[in-house]
Amino acid sequence: AQSVTQLDSQVPVFEEAPVELRCNYSSSVSVYLFWYVQYPNQGLQLLLKYLSGSTLVESINGFEAEFNKSQTSFHLRKPSVHISDTAEYFCAVSGNNNDMRFGAGTRLTVKP
Amino acid sequence: DAGVTQSPTHLIKTRGQQVTLRCSPKSGHDTVSWYQQALGQGPQFIFQYYEEEERQRGNFPDRFSGHQFPNYSSELNVNALLLGDSALYLCASSLKIGTGGTEAFFGQGTRLTVV
Repeated sequence: AQSVTQLDSQVPVFEEAPVELRCNYSSSVSVYLFWYVQYPNQGLQLLLKYLSGSTLVESINGFEAEFNKSQTSFHLRKPSVHISDTAEYFCAVSGNNNDMRFGAGTRLTVKP
Repeated sequence: DAGVTQSPTHLIKTRGQQVTLRCSPKSGHDTVSWYQQALGQGPQFIFQYYEEEERQRGNFPDRFSGHQFPNYSSELNVNALLLGDSALYLCASSLKIGTGGTEAFFGQGTRLTVV
């Protein structure tokens, strides 16, 4: 079965600073990797996903993540964060049967 | 497109009672998964339904059961509620089990409080 470890429970940063949210996964089969974002009192929204092909994937709002098979990682990065990026971020992994498993989450707080 | 809709949005139940939560998947989706998200934690996989059958199950007791209807909508039932069942219950829909890597669309969740 797949599992995900998010290495940081909280990440505080100042506005316009770069940020990296770390995610490591374990799986014995082919994996598909996702980052979801959750704003207060809302469901989860897909930020970006890795299925195959290029190991670097990007979202429309400036986030990117790189799939590293040798390090079993899928870290999320943004070169310059905004106040509006404050949210909970979840890394997730699924296999061919689409049973998605989530990490514990990282709370990103962007300070002015 | 209404996306994934869940009802009710909030619910308060007494310990020992039973509860039913409902989910309508995104149009065109045929697979529904349920997750429990306790406060400050990530979503935990409960089970997944496809073609009206439970296809996969996480580490949850038999008190948690579900159903999928011919129109792909789904219900989550929890019997003999415990205080520890208090959580946000999320429904996610996707298209066709077995293809792998399918994006899951989430509803807003049902906030269940057991007192």
